[in-house]
Amino acid sequence: GDSVTQMEGPVTLSEEAFLTINCTYTATGYPSLFWYVQYPGEGLQLLLKATKADDKGSNKGFEATYRKETTSFHLEKGSVQVSDSAVYFCALSELRRDDKIIFGKGTRLHILP
Amino acid sequence: NAGVMQNPRHLVRRRGQEARLRCSPMKGHSHVYWYRQLPEEGLKFMVYLQKENIIDESGMPKERFSAEFPKEGPSILRIQQVVRGDSAAYFCASSLQDRGQTEAFFGQGTRLTVV
Repeated sequence: GDSVTQMEGPVTLSEEAFLTINCTYTATGYPSLFWYVQYPGEGLQLLLKATKADDKGSNKGFEATYRKETTSFHLEKGSVQVSDSAVYFCALSELRRDDKIIFGKGTRLHILP
Repeated sequence: NAGVMQNPRHLVRRRGQEARLRCSPMKGHSHVYWYRQLPEEGLKFMVYLQKENIIDESGMPKERFSAEFPKEGPSILRIQQVVRGDSAAYFCASSLQDRGQTEAFFGQGTRLTVV
């Protein structure tokens, strides 16, 4: 079945460092790919998405490119801030009528001032 | 346009009691998902519903758990005879199934504590 694998955390970085959180997926069809963020005590918020190969999703300085050849959707940010500290979830959804969203296990990110 | 509303935000139940978690999807959304998040773990899919129809319940425990999404009113996740292991955050999400647009919007969750 479909699955998402993302790097295990926690990831600890200093403010203004470069961030990469790896995500790879397994899917039978052509999924849409998502990154969600969960701040402490909150629900998940959609951070960015990409619906087809080579699409780049971007939001709040974060980017991720849909790479079909490597089945990857790595999250990057050039300069992180303390306020980026959260848990980040990679997810996919197949474009079928009965699809569901499948999440990776999440990566906790700590940014030190 | 209000987002996904879950209530209660916090729920405490004694072992053996019933827990009822409610989720009102975003206006116009016809599909609801329930996920469970254990402390320091990711989200585990439980069930995916359309109004009056369960599409996928492959993540639901076989016993004590049930879910519904009636024609009118919120979606309900019901846990009977709760045990300590049911303590978790339960998140609901809704989506608009329209031409393959499956972006989901999440509620803030219900944190269930079984004492």
